[in-house]
Amino acid sequence: QVQLVQSGVEVKKPGASVKVSCKTSGYTFTSYGISWVRQAPGQGLEWVGWISAYNGNTNYAQKLQGRVTMTTDTSTNTAYMELRSLTSDDTAVYYCTREGDTSGYIYFQHWGQGTLVIVSS
Amino acid sequence: DIQMTQSPSSLSASVGDRVTITCRASQSISRYLNWYQQKAGKAPKFLIYAASSLQSGVPSRFSGSGSGTDFTLTITSLQPEDFATYYCQQSYSNFRTFGQGTKVEI
Repeated sequence: QVQLVQSGVEVKKPGASVKVSCKTSGYTFTSYGISWVRQAPGQGLEWVGWISAYNGNTNYAQKLQGRVTMTTDTSTNTAYMELRSLTSDDTAVYYCTREGDTSGYIYFQHWGQGTLVIVSS
Repeated sequence: DIQMTQSPSSLSASVGDRVTITCRASQSISRYLNWYQQKAGKAPKFLIYAASSLQSGVPSRFSGSGSGTDFTLTITSLQPEDFATYYCQQSYSNFRTFGQGTKVEI
């Protein structure tokens, strides 16, 4: 079965960087894209960006452009999301999701358990 | 970016009720509309894609409809396990966006 297992809680100071990992199993890693979605405390879901596990192409949410980098390691079937210059507004649970595709309709089919990132001085 | 607006933001309902949630896109997105359910402290669960196609294993009391800019999620005969927050999400644009969520509570 498809599984996405994320790294643990991170506590960072303002201005620091964080790198969250998402180790996948149960499917052919390079056949599906990975999106990252975050959720601030008590708030809704916010799409952070997407990476093709096939060729590394990326799309990032405009508000995070320049601060976020997504990568993959096909040798370990793991996706990574790095966010730099952290502020308290980046405090959130970060989810990785594996896309599904039916006749060109893309959706977030499988989700990791989430990684809490806390930014606090 | 395509803006997604859900209404209402929250609603109160009882077991057995019929519930309808609306999602409106800021531009036409054809049928590139998905729905998710999220319970407190859990990752979202994928329910519906292409506006009306049920993910395998999702109970048939869930249904979706719409195209263009206006979409609905309907839950017929609400069950105790359906109390949760529901999100719509567009996949028309490569820059995905979610609605702000609708909390269904007792």
